[in-house]
This record gives sequence, structure tokens and C-alpha cells, in this order.
Amino acid sequence: AQSVTQPDARVTVSEGASLQLRCKYSYSGTPYLFWYVQYPRQGLQLLLKYYSGDPVVQGVNGFEAEFSKSNSSFHLRKASVHWSDSAVYFCVLSPITGNTGKLIFGLGTTLQVQP
Amino acid sequence: EAAVTQSPRNKVAVTGGKVTLSCNQTNNHNNMYWYRQDTGHGLRLIHYSYGAGSTEKGDIPDGYKASRPSQENFSLILELATPSQTSVYFCASGGTPQNTLYFGAGTRLSVL
Repeated sequence: AQSVTQPDARVTVSEGASLQLRCKYSYSGTPYLFWYVQYPRQGLQLLLKYYSGDPVVQGVNGFEAEFSKSNSSFHLRKASVHWSDSAVYFCVLSPITGNTGKLIFGLGTTLQVQP
Repeated sequence: EAAVTQSPRNKVAVTGGKVTLSCNQTNNHNNMYWYRQDTGHGLRLIHYSYGAGSTEKGDIPDGYKASRPSQENFSLILELATPSQTSVYFCASGGTPQNTLYFGAGTRLSVL
């Protein structure tokens, strides 16, 4: 079955610290993968996406993610977080074959950045 | 810039009343989606569409209808609203094949 798991419901880090948000997926093959961010009372915004090629993809605001086929993972990283990064982050999978248009969302990780 | 606009942004409805949530996109995307977001459940897909005139059931379609009269517009209809439908609703559009989604700002619906 296709699925996305974000094992950490909530992550708290200090401003200036490095960050990793974890994402594991289940899919037979290589899917399209995305990270979205949701700020309070807003819709989801695309941070970055992976289709193929270089497993490390760069996104907006200094975020990057690394795809690992062997580990079925797509972890999000940032070298130094800012208080404005506090938000909910969603890992999302879009199937390539048999694409019905339905995407698979993780439940999200709430990031709180402490001053 | 891709744009998805939802209206209204906030809505208070009475139990048993009819509610229509509207969504307009200027991205010329074929796919459009309605999700609801509730604490502990993440985003759940209600209905989606591949293009004008088409609607498909998502994972939680009961109690909801959808209408896609044109490429740009996709509506979600609650014929008989219930308190369990109190939630935040998001519309999104997506282009194939990668299906990158662009979301609206959401509609906060309270059914009393």
C-alpha cells in the first residue's frame, strides 16, 4: 500500500540550530515527492519537489531535502532555522504510474522554533 | 504566479442548511481538489476533478457533492450541513504529470 509517514508530530529547536524533519514513504518504484509548509491560518505552500536525478534538492528559504531510494525516505533539512520557520510541514507523495491524480499526505510535523 | 482563490473565507451555517464553497483557479490546471483539515487527521480528500464536467469521489465523500462547471471553477456542496462538517476546507489545483499542487487560503466552516 502507498503511504507517507512523518514519525515526529512535533519538533522543537532553538533559533540558529540545524533541523531535520523526517519522512518515510511506501511505494513500489520512485514516486514524485514534495514538502509543503503551512503557516498559521494559511494554505499549504510548496517548499521543494523531487522528480528524478540529484537526490538532494534545494527549495525556498534555505531548505533542502534528500531522497533515498534504499531507505524510502525524503528528509527535510535546514542548516540554521529562524523563528519565522515555525509552521506545519507536510511530506507528500504523488504516484507516477497509474496516476489517478490523488496525492498521499503525511500527517504533518509541527515545528516550533524557540528564540 | 499560480493562483487559487476560495470563497467565502469564513462561514457559519445552521444544521440542515445548504452550504456552497467556491474555488477559482487561474493556473489552467486540469486537476482540482477539495480537502478538509482537522486536528489529528491531516488533510483528507473529499472530491476531485480531472477537468470540466468531471468529479470523482475522494476518501471521505459522504455528505458532500462537487461540481466542476468549467476549467477554472470547482465547488463543494453540503446539501444538509451537520456539526461534524465543521472544519477548514482547502481547494487546490494541480498540473500533470508531476501534479504539483497550489492551494487556496482555506475556508473556515462552522456548522451550529
